[in-house]
Amino acid sequence: DVKVTQSSRYLVKRTGEKVFLECVQDMDHENMFWYRQDPGLGLRLIYFSYDVKMKEKGDIPEGYSVSREKKERFSLILESASTNQTSMYLCASSPPLQGGQPQHFGDGTRLSIL
Amino acid sequence: AQTVTQSQPEMSVQEAETVTLSCTYDTSESDYYLFWYKQPPSRQMILVIRQEAYKQQNATENRFSVNFQKAAKSFSLKISDSQLGDAAMYFCAYRRTGNQFYFGTGTSLTVIP
Repeated sequence: DVKVTQSSRYLVKRTGEKVFLECVQDMDHENMFWYRQDPGLGLRLIYFSYDVKMKEKGDIPEGYSVSREKKERFSLILESASTNQTSMYLCASSPPLQGGQPQHFGDGTRLSIL
Repeated sequence: AQTVTQSQPEMSVQEAETVTLSCTYDTSESDYYLFWYKQPPSRQMILVIRQEAYKQQNATENRFSVNFQKAAKSFSLKISDSQLGDAAMYFCAYRRTGNQFYFGTGTSLTVIP
């Protein structure tokens, strides 16, 4: 089975801190994604990466950056955390599109910015 | 732009009964894929069922089936013989040619014993 592991289930940080959320997948998937999940808004894509060192902005990239130095690891960075970034963050991975392959998700990180 | 709409924020069903969750989407593409994901209270999102747009036959996975109406851009999920373990948030998702997925806002399903 595909395993997508997010480094923390719960995280509490302070306003202005630089925050790192880590995600590792073990299935050699090319694509990796970071989503933010808020009640009533569903999943909103922050960034995705289709290859090492490659990234593309999603729908809400402002205030975030990402890093993909190795194929299995995709990091989300909050450059200067703000209270409106308190949310659930989900990482996902998938193979390329052929065959309509689905995404596989991690358990999520509940991030609170105080 | 592709959008996915789930018009039912909350649904409930009696145990052992059948429930249908609605999803519509907007696209100009002819080749794409549709998915239903389930997110139980433990939070990990898991795939329930998927449908290729080029296939006319509706996908089925045990108690879960879809009603795919391509012309109407509708993709509903039917859960038969509902069980307590079916209680979760359900998300409809769309993937076209490319790497992005587009998700609806979710439907919270409650199963009443």
